[in-house]
Amino acid sequence: GDSVTQMEGPVTLSEEAFLTINCTYTATGYPSLFWYVQYPGEGLQLLLKATKADDKGSNKGFEATYRKETTSFHLEKGSVQVSDSAVYFCAINAGNNRKLIWGLGTSLAVNP
Amino acid sequence: EAEVAQSPRYKITEKSQAVAFWCDPISGHATLYWYRQILGQGPELLVQFQDESVVDDSQLPKDRFSAERLKGVDSTLKIQPAELGDSAMYLCASSLWERKGGELFFGEGSRLTVL
Repeated sequence: GDSVTQMEGPVTLSEEAFLTINCTYTATGYPSLFWYVQYPGEGLQLLLKATKADDKGSNKGFEATYRKETTSFHLEKGSVQVSDSAVYFCAINAGNNRKLIWGLGTSLAVNP
Repeated sequence: EAEVAQSPRYKITEKSQAVAFWCDPISGHATLYWYRQILGQGPELLVQFQDESVVDDSQLPKDRFSAERLKGVDSTLKIQPAELGDSAMYLCASSLWERKGGELFFGEGSRLTVL
């Protein structure tokens, strides 16, 4: 079945460091791909998405490119800030049943 | 921008008591989801509605949990009786699946603590 494998955390970085969080998926067909972010004590917010191969989603300095050949959707940011400290979830849609398949989440802590 | 509304934001209760959570999705969103998220883990789908119909409740502990969406708009999730292991964040989400490419919109969540 469909699945998402996400880089394990926690990830700890210093401010202004480069961030990569890996995400790979298995799916039949061509899913849409998502990154959600969850700040402490809050619900999930969509960070970015891509709906077809080679699309690049971007928001708040974060980027991820839909790589069909490697079935990946890695999240990157060139210079992280303390305010980026959160848990990041990779997710794919699951075809016709209107469900998202979730990764386990990667906790990011950014130190000043 | 329209948001998914949830209440209460926080709930503390004793085990064996009844608890209810309410969710009002974004207007026009036919698909509504209730998720449970235990601290440090990812969201777990409890129930999915399409309009007023349940399309998936395979992970809902039906001996104690119930969910309804009577008019296909807002929804209630109930736990009776609550157990210690039910302590978690309960997240509601809605979707206009076809037009938003599968994007889910989440509420702020309801944090439940069972003592």
